[in-house]
Amino acid sequence: EPEVTQTPSHQVTQMGQEVILRCVPISNHLYFYWYRQILGQKVEFLVSFYNNEISEKSEIFDDQFSVERPDGSNFTLKIRSTKLEDSAMYFCASSGGQSLFILHFGNGTRLTVT
Amino acid sequence: ILNVEQSPQSLHVQEGDSTNFTCSFPSSNFYALHWYRWETAKSPEALFVMTLNGDEKKKGRISATLNTKEGYSYLYIKGSQPEDSATYLCAFGGTSYDKVIFGPGTSLSVIP
Repeated sequence: EPEVTQTPSHQVTQMGQEVILRCVPISNHLYFYWYRQILGQKVEFLVSFYNNEISEKSEIFDDQFSVERPDGSNFTLKIRSTKLEDSAMYFCASSGGQSLFILHFGNGTRLTVT
Repeated sequence: ILNVEQSPQSLHVQEGDSTNFTCSFPSSNFYALHWYRWETAKSPEALFVMTLNGDEKKKGRISATLNTKEGYSYLYIKGSQPEDSATYLCAFGGTSYDKVIFGPGTSLSVIP
Protein backbone atom coordinates (compact mmCIF):
# COMPACT_ATOMS: atom_id res chain seq x y z
CA GLU A 1 0.00 0.00 0.00
CA PRO A 2 1.40 3.45 -0.89
CA GLU A 3 2.58 5.48 2.07
CA VAL A 4 3.85 8.91 3.01
CA THR A 5 7.56 8.92 3.80
CA GLN A 6 9.44 11.50 5.83
CA THR A 7 13.14 12.12 6.23
CA PRO A 8 15.06 12.39 8.41
CA SER A 9 13.41 10.56 11.28
CA HIS A 10 15.35 12.68 13.77
CA GLN A 11 17.05 16.02 13.24
CA VAL A 12 19.13 17.83 15.83
CA THR A 13 20.01 21.43 15.13
CA GLN A 14 21.34 24.47 16.93
CA MET A 15 19.16 27.47 17.64
CA GLY A 16 19.25 29.93 14.75
CA GLN A 17 20.07 27.32 12.12
CA GLU A 18 17.88 26.56 9.13
CA VAL A 19 16.32 23.12 8.79
CA ILE A 20 14.49 21.45 5.95
CA LEU A 21 12.15 18.59 6.68
CA ARG A 22 11.31 16.40 3.72
CA CYS A 23 8.22 14.45 2.81
CA VAL A 24 7.23 12.32 -0.16
CA PRO A 25 3.41 12.22 -0.27
CA ILE A 26 1.38 9.49 -1.92
CA SER A 27 1.79 9.96 -5.65
CA ASN A 28 -1.81 10.58 -6.77
CA HIS A 29 -2.68 12.84 -3.83
CA LEU A 30 -3.37 16.51 -4.38
CA TYR A 31 -3.53 17.99 -0.87
CA PHE A 32 -0.51 18.19 1.40
CA TYR A 33 -0.23 19.17 5.02
CA TRP A 34 2.24 19.76 7.80
CA TYR A 35 1.30 19.24 11.43
CA ARG A 36 3.41 19.28 14.54
CA GLN A 37 3.14 17.91 18.04
CA ILE A 38 5.12 19.45 20.87
CA LEU A 39 5.82 16.82 23.52
CA GLY A 40 2.78 16.31 25.71
CA GLN A 41 0.57 18.64 23.69
CA LYS A 42 -1.99 18.13 20.97
CA VAL A 43 -1.38 17.79 17.25
CA GLU A 44 -1.37 21.29 15.72
CA PHE A 45 -2.15 22.27 12.15
CA LEU A 46 0.60 24.27 10.45
CA VAL A 47 -0.22 24.52 6.74
CA SER A 48 -2.03 22.96 3.82
CA PHE A 49 -0.87 23.09 0.20
CA TYR A 50 -2.81 22.55 -3.00
CA ASN A 51 -2.15 23.34 -6.63
CA ASN A 52 1.37 24.56 -5.86
CA GLU A 53 0.34 27.13 -3.32
CA ILE A 54 -0.55 27.45 0.34
CA SER A 55 -4.31 27.10 0.80
CA GLU A 56 -4.49 27.49 4.57
CA LYS A 57 -2.03 28.26 7.34
CA SER A 58 -2.22 28.68 11.09
CA GLU A 59 -0.89 31.45 13.35
CA ILE A 60 2.06 29.18 14.13
CA PHE A 61 3.13 29.27 10.47
CA ASP A 62 4.85 32.66 10.55
CA ASP A 63 7.56 34.15 8.31
CA GLN A 64 10.12 31.69 9.66
CA PHE A 65 8.28 28.82 7.99
CA SER A 66 7.93 28.04 4.32
CA VAL A 67 6.80 25.08 2.23
CA GLU A 68 7.71 24.02 -1.23
CA ARG A 69 7.04 21.27 -3.71
CA PRO A 70 10.18 21.68 -5.77
CA ASP A 71 10.00 18.70 -8.12
CA GLY A 72 6.45 17.35 -8.11
CA SER A 73 7.21 14.57 -5.64
CA ASN A 74 8.90 16.05 -2.57
CA PHE A 75 7.05 18.38 -0.19
CA THR A 76 9.35 20.27 2.15
CA LEU A 77 8.98 22.35 5.28
CA LYS A 78 11.73 24.88 5.91
CA ILE A 79 12.29 26.63 9.19
CA ARG A 80 14.61 29.56 8.53
CA SER A 81 16.01 30.31 11.97
CA THR A 82 15.05 27.66 14.48
CA LYS A 83 14.05 28.48 18.05
CA LEU A 84 14.04 26.21 21.07
CA GLU A 85 10.24 26.14 20.99
CA ASP A 86 10.30 24.67 17.48
CA SER A 87 11.36 21.35 19.03
CA ALA A 88 8.53 18.97 18.20
CA MET A 89 7.46 16.00 16.13
CA TYR A 90 6.59 17.21 12.63
CA PHE A 91 4.13 15.15 10.61
CA CYS A 92 3.50 15.41 6.93
CA ALA A 93 0.18 14.18 5.54
CA SER A 94 -1.46 13.96 2.15
CA SER A 95 -4.99 13.35 0.93
CA GLY A 96 -6.71 12.79 -2.39
CA GLY A 97 -7.35 9.97 -4.79
CA GLN A 98 -10.30 7.74 -4.00
CA SER A 99 -10.25 8.47 -0.27
CA LEU A 100 -10.40 12.23 -0.73
CA PHE A 101 -10.94 13.29 2.87
CA ILE A 102 -8.67 10.87 4.70
CA LEU A 103 -5.29 12.17 5.81
CA HIS A 104 -2.43 9.73 5.34
CA PHE A 105 0.40 10.54 7.70
CA GLY A 106 4.11 9.91 7.53
CA ASN A 107 5.99 8.58 10.54
CA GLY A 108 7.17 12.04 11.49
CA THR A 109 10.46 13.86 11.96
CA ARG A 110 11.52 14.57 15.51
CA LEU A 111 13.17 17.99 15.50
CA THR A 112 15.36 18.86 18.49
CA VAL A 113 16.64 22.42 18.72
CA THR A 114 19.48 22.90 21.20
CA ILE B 1 -10.35 30.25 16.65
CA LEU B 2 -11.68 26.79 15.86
CA ASN B 3 -11.83 24.63 18.96
CA VAL B 4 -12.16 20.87 18.86
CA GLU B 5 -12.53 19.25 22.26
CA GLN B 6 -12.39 15.65 23.35
CA SER B 7 -13.37 13.96 26.57
CA PRO B 8 -12.26 12.30 28.62
CA GLN B 9 -8.57 13.13 28.37
CA SER B 10 -7.65 9.59 29.37
CA LEU B 11 -9.42 6.36 30.13
CA HIS B 12 -8.40 3.07 31.71
CA VAL B 13 -10.69 0.11 31.15
CA GLN B 14 -10.54 -3.63 31.77
CA GLU B 15 -10.25 -6.01 28.85
CA GLY B 16 -13.74 -6.86 27.63
CA ASP B 17 -15.34 -3.60 28.78
CA SER B 18 -17.09 -1.43 26.25
CA THR B 19 -16.24 2.24 26.24
CA ASN B 20 -17.03 5.47 24.47
CA PHE B 21 -15.63 8.94 24.17
CA THR B 22 -16.75 12.27 22.81
CA CYS B 23 -15.57 14.83 20.33
CA SER B 24 -17.21 18.26 20.18
CA PHE B 25 -16.66 20.74 17.40
CA PRO B 26 -18.14 23.94 15.93
CA SER B 27 -21.58 23.27 14.44
CA SER B 28 -21.21 25.94 11.75
CA ASN B 29 -19.34 25.53 8.45
CA PHE B 30 -19.11 21.79 8.90
CA TYR B 31 -17.46 19.74 6.17
CA ALA B 32 -16.16 16.50 7.65
CA LEU B 33 -15.34 14.88 10.99
CA HIS B 34 -12.43 12.47 11.15
CA TRP B 35 -11.41 9.90 13.76
CA TYR B 36 -7.81 8.70 13.90
CA ARG B 37 -6.09 6.12 16.04
CA TRP B 38 -2.55 6.90 17.13
CA GLU B 39 -0.36 4.24 18.65
CA THR B 40 2.87 5.14 20.37
CA ALA B 41 5.84 5.43 17.97
CA LYS B 42 3.57 5.23 14.93
CA SER B 43 1.74 7.82 12.82
CA PRO B 44 -1.99 8.57 13.15
CA GLU B 45 -4.12 6.14 11.18
CA ALA B 46 -7.57 7.01 9.86
CA LEU B 47 -10.54 5.13 11.34
CA PHE B 48 -13.51 7.04 9.93
CA VAL B 49 -14.41 10.16 8.03
CA MET B 50 -18.01 11.26 8.32
CA THR B 51 -19.70 14.03 6.40
CA LEU B 52 -23.46 13.73 6.91
CA ASN B 53 -25.52 14.49 10.00
CA GLY B 54 -26.67 11.20 11.49
CA ASP B 55 -23.85 9.23 9.86
CA GLU B 56 -22.88 6.04 11.65
CA LYS B 57 -19.75 4.14 10.69
CA LYS B 58 -18.47 0.80 11.91
CA LYS B 59 -15.15 -1.01 11.63
CA GLY B 60 -15.04 -4.28 13.53
CA ARG B 61 -15.63 -3.50 17.21
CA ILE B 62 -15.29 0.25 16.71
CA SER B 63 -18.14 2.50 15.64
CA ALA B 64 -18.79 6.22 15.47
CA THR B 65 -21.80 8.51 15.24
CA LEU B 66 -22.10 12.09 14.10
CA ASN B 67 -24.42 14.96 15.06
CA THR B 68 -23.48 18.04 13.05
CA LYS B 69 -26.41 20.16 14.31
CA GLU B 70 -25.22 20.03 17.90
CA GLY B 71 -21.55 19.56 17.07
CA TYR B 72 -20.56 16.23 18.56
CA SER B 73 -19.40 12.77 17.59
CA TYR B 74 -19.10 9.63 19.71
CA LEU B 75 -16.61 6.83 19.23
CA TYR B 76 -17.56 3.45 20.72
CA ILE B 77 -15.35 0.44 21.30
CA LYS B 78 -17.15 -2.79 22.11
CA GLY B 79 -15.30 -5.44 24.13
CA SER B 80 -12.01 -3.53 24.47
CA GLN B 81 -8.81 -5.48 23.88
CA PRO B 82 -5.24 -4.56 24.94
CA GLU B 83 -4.39 -3.84 21.31
CA ASP B 84 -7.00 -1.06 21.34
CA SER B 85 -4.71 0.91 23.67
CA ALA B 86 -3.86 4.10 21.78
CA THR B 87 -4.70 7.78 21.58
CA TYR B 88 -7.89 8.46 19.63
CA LEU B 89 -7.92 11.77 17.83
CA CYS B 90 -10.88 13.47 16.28
CA ALA B 91 -10.39 16.15 13.66
CA PHE B 92 -12.77 18.72 12.26
CA GLY B 93 -12.76 19.89 8.67
CA GLY B 94 -14.75 23.07 8.23
CA THR B 95 -15.77 24.59 4.89
CA SER B 96 -13.37 22.45 2.88
CA TYR B 97 -10.73 19.84 3.34
CA ASP B 98 -7.96 22.42 3.23
CA LYS B 99 -7.68 22.75 7.00
CA VAL B 100 -8.31 19.87 9.33
CA ILE B 101 -8.06 20.76 13.02
CA PHE B 102 -7.33 18.07 15.58
CA GLY B 103 -8.67 17.72 19.09
CA PRO B 104 -6.31 16.94 21.99
CA GLY B 105 -7.09 13.24 21.92
CA THR B 106 -8.37 10.63 24.35
CA SER B 107 -5.72 8.24 25.61
CA LEU B 108 -7.15 4.74 26.11
CA SER B 109 -5.41 2.03 28.12
CA VAL B 110 -6.95 -1.42 28.15
CA ILE B 111 -5.78 -3.50 31.09
CA PRO B 112 -5.55 -7.26 30.43
